[in-house]
Amino acid sequence: GAVVSQHPSRVICKSGTSVKIECRSLDFQATTMFWYRQFPKQSLMLMATSNEGSKATYEQGVEKDKFLINHASLTLSTLTVTSAHPEDSSFYICSAVEDRSNQPQHFGDGTRLSIL
Amino acid sequence: RKEVEQDPGPFNVPEGATVAFNCTYSNSASQSFFWYRQDCRKEPKLLMSVYSSGNEDGRFTAQLNRASQYISLLIRDSKLSDSATYLCVVTTQPYFAGGYNKLIFGAGTRLAVHP
Repeated sequence: GAVVSQHPSRVICKSGTSVKIECRSLDFQATTMFWYRQFPKQSLMLMATSNEGSKATYEQGVEKDKFLINHASLTLSTLTVTSAHPEDSSFYICSAVEDRSNQPQHFGDGTRLSIL
Repeated sequence: RKEVEQDPGPFNVPEGATVAFNCTYSNSASQSFFWYRQDCRKEPKLLMSVYSSGNEDGRFTAQLNRASQYISLLIRDSKLSDSATYLCVVTTQPYFAGGYNKLIFGAGTRLAVHP
């Protein structure tokens, strides 16, 4: 079955650090990937749509200079949280859509980011 | 107003009980509806799609009322393994648009099944 790998699964770092999270589709190609964020006891919120070979599309209220997205290949998208602060601490989840018709989003297993 | 609203729970029920969750959505243009399950600190997993005619998958039954913009999930004969958070999800695109839909998640309803 379709598998999406997300790395790292857990990050703890100091305020001001930049953190890169990888999202890989392991057995399929994905032109489109999505990045979500989930704060405790809240819903998953779409941050941006990542498109291979073009700029990501950000949702309203998400700072594109703060959350850098790179989708350089059909199997890899990265999210970099630049100069992270404690309020960026959250659960970040990616999903990928296989490049075939009528396929669902396959979710990665998430990255728990804690900024001290 | 949130786009998708759910009672956060928790619903604490004994094994074997029947439990029902409700969800309302605000966008009348919503076309596709789903229930996902999320275990603690894990990614969401698709439980079932929800169709206007209502649909059933084993112990799980989903209903959709477009006029009231209301979705429900019924779980019969609850198992310990059903303990999780159940997420109501809607999109504004039809089912055949597949994964390219923008998924709008509710905050979830927590279910705890005890022996």
